[in-house]
Amino acid sequence: GQQLNQSPQSMFIQEGEDVSMNCTSSSIFNTWLWYKQDPGEGPVLLIALYKAGELTSNGRLTAQFGITRKDSFLNISASIPSDVGIYFCAGQDNTGKLIFGQGTTLQVKP
Amino acid sequence: DSGVTQTPKHLITATGQRVTLRCSPRSGDLSVYWYQQSLDQGLQFLIHYYNGEERAKGNILERFSAQQFPDLHSELNLSSLELGDSALYFCASSVGNVGNTIYFGEGSWLTVV
Repeated sequence: GQQLNQSPQSMFIQEGEDVSMNCTSSSIFNTWLWYKQDPGEGPVLLIALYKAGELTSNGRLTAQFGITRKDSFLNISASIPSDVGIYFCAGQDNTGKLIFGQGTTLQVKP
Repeated sequence: DSGVTQTPKHLITATGQRVTLRCSPRSGDLSVYWYQQSLDQGLQFLIHYYNGEERAKGNILERFSAQQFPDLHSELNLSSLELGDSALYFCASSVGNVGNTIYFGEGSWLTVV
């Protein structure tokens, strides 16, 4: 199925380090959303972006909606062990359909 | 807790059988989305309903069907089940049709044996 290109696929970092992941697409999206998913649970919304160029923060998380509307990044500052999980970007097209990236698996070493 | 409720949480059934997954959206949300998540395919969009009407369809098999009822809850029906249908099925909801934040339920684990 249709997917966004999300990178990196996985990251193994030391507690306290900053993390950056991004998504790119060949299609324009109206909305970008970032989710975190723990094993066996549903995706939990982290940040929602609605305008090109928008930069939004949620605690230690910062995300931006690319000016071309074809990309977005998520930064996590000062990582902690509970940041472990799979992070997904998702772009919403003008039909409302949400297309997901392949996910970035984050592991944090205490 | 996202406010999106899905039942059942776990289901084991045999090949060839039919199951129904149920979703109650967040209070006030008119849109319901269904997604399938399997190990090798990631999160795949199946179908979107807004206020009882189908709005968008993804790679949903003909053996699968869904509907949204007047009280806005939705059901996903999976028939003639195959081993490859084993997956997590998520329901999500949002207030509007487009441009709104989408919240996910905790999913229904389907295992076909």
